[in-house]
Amino acid sequence: GDSVTQMEGPVTLSEEAFLTINCTYTATGYPSLFWYVQYPGEGLQLLLKATKADDKGSNKGFEATYRKETTSFHLEKGSVQVSDSAVYFCALSDRTGFQKLVFGTGTRLLVSP
Amino acid sequence: ETGVTQSPTHLIKTRGQQVTLRCSSQSGHNTVSWYQQALGQGPQFIFQYYREEENGRGNFPPRFSGLQFPNYSSELNVNALELDDSALYLCASSLAGDSNSPLHFGNGTRLTVT
Repeated sequence: GDSVTQMEGPVTLSEEAFLTINCTYTATGYPSLFWYVQYPGEGLQLLLKATKADDKGSNKGFEATYRKETTSFHLEKGSVQVSDSAVYFCALSDRTGFQKLVFGTGTRLLVSP
Repeated sequence: ETGVTQSPTHLIKTRGQQVTLRCSSQSGHNTVSWYQQALGQGPQFIFQYYREEENGRGNFPPRFSGLQFPNYSSELNVNALELDDSALYLCASSLAGDSNSPLHFGNGTRLTVT
Protein backbone atom coordinates (compact mmCIF):
# COMPACT_ATOMS: atom_id res chain seq x y z
CA GLY A 1 0.00 0.00 0.00
CA ASP A 2 0.87 3.66 -0.10
CA SER A 3 3.36 4.90 2.48
CA VAL A 4 5.35 7.96 3.54
CA THR A 5 8.79 7.94 5.14
CA GLN A 6 10.17 10.95 6.99
CA MET A 7 13.51 11.61 8.59
CA GLU A 8 13.50 10.97 12.31
CA GLY A 9 13.75 13.83 14.73
CA PRO A 10 14.14 15.80 16.67
CA VAL A 11 15.82 18.30 14.39
CA THR A 12 17.50 20.93 16.54
CA LEU A 13 18.50 24.24 14.96
CA SER A 14 19.47 27.73 15.97
CA GLU A 15 17.33 30.64 14.87
CA GLU A 16 18.04 31.74 11.26
CA ALA A 17 19.52 28.36 10.30
CA PHE A 18 18.52 26.53 7.10
CA LEU A 19 16.00 23.73 7.46
CA THR A 20 15.54 20.56 5.45
CA ILE A 21 13.18 17.76 6.47
CA ASN A 22 13.33 14.80 4.12
CA CYS A 23 10.22 12.99 2.92
CA THR A 24 9.91 10.15 0.43
CA TYR A 25 6.79 8.29 -0.61
CA THR A 26 5.60 5.08 -2.18
CA ALA A 27 2.38 5.15 -4.18
CA THR A 28 0.91 3.21 -7.06
CA GLY A 29 -0.61 6.21 -8.81
CA TYR A 30 0.07 9.94 -8.91
CA PRO A 31 -0.71 11.24 -5.46
CA SER A 32 -1.10 14.75 -4.19
CA LEU A 33 1.52 15.60 -1.57
CA PHE A 34 1.15 17.69 1.56
CA TRP A 35 3.03 19.05 4.54
CA TYR A 36 1.05 19.56 7.73
CA VAL A 37 2.29 21.20 10.93
CA GLN A 38 1.15 20.44 14.47
CA TYR A 39 1.83 22.93 17.26
CA PRO A 40 1.70 21.71 20.87
CA GLY A 41 -1.83 20.92 22.01
CA GLU A 42 -3.33 21.62 18.61
CA GLY A 43 -4.60 19.73 15.59
CA LEU A 44 -2.95 19.65 12.19
CA GLN A 45 -2.70 22.69 9.96
CA LEU A 46 -2.02 22.46 6.24
CA LEU A 47 1.32 24.12 5.52
CA LEU A 48 1.64 23.54 1.79
CA LYS A 49 0.73 21.13 -0.98
CA ALA A 50 1.60 20.06 -4.52
CA THR A 51 -0.66 18.11 -6.83
CA LYS A 52 1.57 17.08 -9.72
CA ALA A 53 5.20 16.43 -10.61
CA ASP A 54 7.53 19.45 -10.49
CA ASP A 55 4.95 21.58 -8.67
CA LYS A 56 6.38 23.67 -5.87
CA GLY A 57 4.25 24.34 -2.82
CA SER A 58 5.13 27.32 -0.64
CA ASN A 59 3.78 29.09 2.42
CA LYS A 60 5.23 31.20 5.26
CA GLY A 61 8.75 30.84 3.86
CA PHE A 62 8.52 27.04 3.63
CA GLU A 63 8.87 25.30 0.27
CA ALA A 64 8.68 21.77 -1.09
CA THR A 65 8.96 20.48 -4.65
CA TYR A 66 7.16 17.36 -5.91
CA ARG A 67 9.93 15.17 -7.39
CA LYS A 68 8.42 12.20 -9.19
CA GLU A 69 11.77 10.80 -10.31
CA THR A 70 13.02 10.51 -6.73
CA THR A 71 9.53 10.11 -5.15
CA SER A 72 10.40 12.89 -2.73
CA PHE A 73 8.82 16.02 -1.26
CA HIS A 74 11.46 17.54 1.02
CA LEU A 75 10.49 20.53 3.16
CA GLU A 76 12.88 23.50 3.24
CA LYS A 77 13.07 26.92 4.84
CA GLY A 78 15.90 29.36 4.44
CA SER A 79 15.81 30.90 7.93
CA VAL A 80 13.88 29.27 10.77
CA GLN A 81 12.37 31.11 13.71
CA VAL A 82 11.68 29.98 17.27
CA SER A 83 7.97 30.08 16.40
CA ASP A 84 8.54 27.35 13.78
CA SER A 85 9.12 24.81 16.56
CA ALA A 86 6.48 22.14 15.98
CA VAL A 87 5.98 18.65 14.56
CA TYR A 88 5.90 18.46 10.76
CA PHE A 89 4.05 15.70 8.91
CA CYS A 90 4.46 14.73 5.29
CA ALA A 91 1.37 13.14 3.76
CA LEU A 92 -0.05 11.89 0.48
CA SER A 93 -3.53 11.53 -0.93
CA ASP A 94 -4.08 8.98 -3.66
CA ARG A 95 -7.10 10.82 -5.11
CA THR A 96 -9.11 7.62 -5.63
CA GLY A 97 -12.50 9.19 -5.11
CA PHE A 98 -12.41 9.93 -1.43
CA GLN A 99 -9.89 11.98 0.45
CA LYS A 100 -7.74 9.72 2.56
CA LEU A 101 -4.40 10.99 3.79
CA VAL A 102 -1.49 8.68 4.49
CA PHE A 103 0.91 10.35 6.95
CA GLY A 104 4.52 9.89 7.84
CA THR A 105 5.49 9.53 11.50
CA GLY A 106 6.30 13.22 11.87
CA THR A 107 9.51 15.15 12.51
CA ARG A 108 9.84 17.35 15.57
CA LEU A 109 11.65 20.65 14.96
CA LEU A 110 13.17 22.53 17.87
CA VAL A 111 14.51 26.03 17.19
CA SER A 112 16.52 27.78 19.86
CA PRO A 113 17.17 31.55 20.07
CA GLU B 1 -15.87 30.97 8.81
CA THR B 2 -16.27 28.49 11.67
CA GLY B 3 -13.53 25.91 11.92
CA VAL B 4 -13.72 22.27 12.93
CA THR B 5 -14.63 21.83 16.59
CA GLN B 6 -14.34 18.65 18.63
CA SER B 7 -15.64 17.66 22.03
CA PRO B 8 -14.65 16.77 24.61
CA THR B 9 -11.01 17.85 24.59
CA HIS B 10 -9.95 15.17 27.06
CA LEU B 11 -11.55 11.95 28.22
CA ILE B 12 -10.56 9.12 30.54
CA LYS B 13 -12.27 5.74 30.22
CA THR B 14 -11.79 2.26 31.61
CA ARG B 15 -11.01 -0.78 29.49
CA GLY B 16 -14.20 -2.40 28.21
CA GLN B 17 -16.25 0.80 28.30
CA GLN B 18 -17.73 2.61 25.32
CA VAL B 19 -16.99 6.18 24.22
CA THR B 20 -18.54 8.74 21.87
CA LEU B 21 -16.55 11.60 20.42
CA ARG B 22 -18.17 14.53 18.59
CA CYS B 23 -17.17 16.77 15.72
CA SER B 24 -18.70 19.81 14.03
CA SER B 25 -17.39 20.34 10.54
CA GLN B 26 -16.24 23.62 9.07
CA SER B 27 -19.05 25.62 7.50
CA GLY B 28 -19.53 24.75 3.85
CA HIS B 29 -17.92 21.32 4.22
CA ASN B 30 -19.95 18.14 3.67
CA THR B 31 -17.41 15.38 4.33
CA VAL B 32 -15.98 14.30 7.67
CA SER B 33 -13.00 12.03 8.28
CA TRP B 34 -11.66 10.60 11.52
CA TYR B 35 -8.03 9.84 12.32
CA GLN B 36 -6.30 8.18 15.27
CA GLN B 37 -2.94 9.57 16.31
CA ALA B 38 -1.03 7.46 18.80
CA LEU B 39 1.69 9.15 20.84
CA GLY B 40 4.71 9.92 18.70
CA GLN B 41 3.07 8.65 15.52
CA GLY B 42 1.39 10.11 12.47
CA PRO B 43 -2.40 10.08 12.20
CA GLN B 44 -4.00 6.90 10.89
CA PHE B 45 -7.18 7.04 8.81
CA ILE B 46 -10.19 5.46 10.51
CA PHE B 47 -13.07 6.27 8.15
CA GLN B 48 -14.82 9.00 6.18
CA TYR B 49 -18.48 9.99 5.99
CA TYR B 50 -20.32 11.67 3.15
CA ARG B 51 -24.09 12.10 2.83
CA GLU B 52 -24.50 10.29 6.15
CA GLU B 53 -22.86 7.14 4.77
CA GLU B 54 -19.44 5.65 5.38
CA ASN B 55 -17.59 5.89 2.08
CA GLY B 56 -14.10 4.75 3.03
CA ARG B 57 -12.52 2.88 5.91
CA GLY B 58 -9.02 2.22 7.13
CA ASN B 59 -7.66 -0.82 8.92
CA PHE B 60 -9.76 -0.53 12.09
CA PRO B 61 -12.04 -3.18 13.61
CA PRO B 62 -15.86 -2.91 13.55
CA ARG B 63 -15.97 -1.73 17.16
CA PHE B 64 -14.97 1.63 15.68
CA SER B 65 -18.14 3.08 14.15
CA GLY B 66 -19.45 6.47 13.21
CA LEU B 67 -22.37 8.62 12.25
CA GLN B 68 -22.84 11.72 10.18
CA PHE B 69 -25.88 13.92 10.71
CA PRO B 70 -27.83 16.06 8.21
CA ASN B 71 -25.94 19.16 9.41
CA TYR B 72 -22.69 17.32 8.52
CA SER B 73 -21.59 16.98 12.14
CA SER B 74 -20.28 13.56 13.11
CA GLU B 75 -19.71 11.12 15.94
CA LEU B 76 -17.05 8.47 16.45
CA ASN B 77 -18.06 5.58 18.67
CA VAL B 78 -15.64 3.04 20.07
CA ASN B 79 -16.96 -0.03 21.88
CA ALA B 80 -15.12 -2.41 24.19
CA LEU B 81 -12.24 -0.02 24.73
CA GLU B 82 -8.73 -1.42 24.85
CA LEU B 83 -5.60 0.11 26.33
CA ASP B 84 -4.19 0.60 22.81
CA ASP B 85 -7.12 2.84 21.94
CA SER B 86 -5.45 5.57 24.01
CA ALA B 87 -4.66 8.26 21.45
CA LEU B 88 -5.53 11.68 20.07
CA TYR B 89 -8.58 11.39 17.83
CA LEU B 90 -8.72 13.96 15.08
CA CYS B 91 -11.70 14.97 13.02
CA ALA B 92 -11.24 16.64 9.64
CA SER B 93 -13.76 18.15 7.26
CA SER B 94 -13.55 18.82 3.55
CA LEU B 95 -15.63 19.41 0.45
CA ALA B 96 -16.51 16.29 -1.51
CA GLY B 97 -15.98 16.29 -5.23
CA ASP B 98 -12.77 18.26 -5.09
CA SER B 99 -9.88 15.85 -4.62
CA ASN B 100 -7.57 18.81 -4.08
CA SER B 101 -9.71 20.28 -1.32
CA PRO B 102 -7.51 20.22 1.76
CA LEU B 103 -8.64 18.61 4.97
CA HIS B 104 -9.26 21.02 7.84
CA PHE B 105 -8.53 19.43 11.20
CA GLY B 106 -9.92 20.07 14.63
CA ASN B 107 -7.72 20.16 17.74
CA GLY B 108 -8.65 16.62 18.64
CA THR B 109 -9.93 14.65 21.60
CA ARG B 110 -7.30 13.07 23.85
CA LEU B 111 -8.63 9.67 24.97
CA THR B 112 -6.92 7.80 27.77
CA VAL B 113 -7.98 4.22 28.49
CA THR B 114 -6.93 2.81 31.86
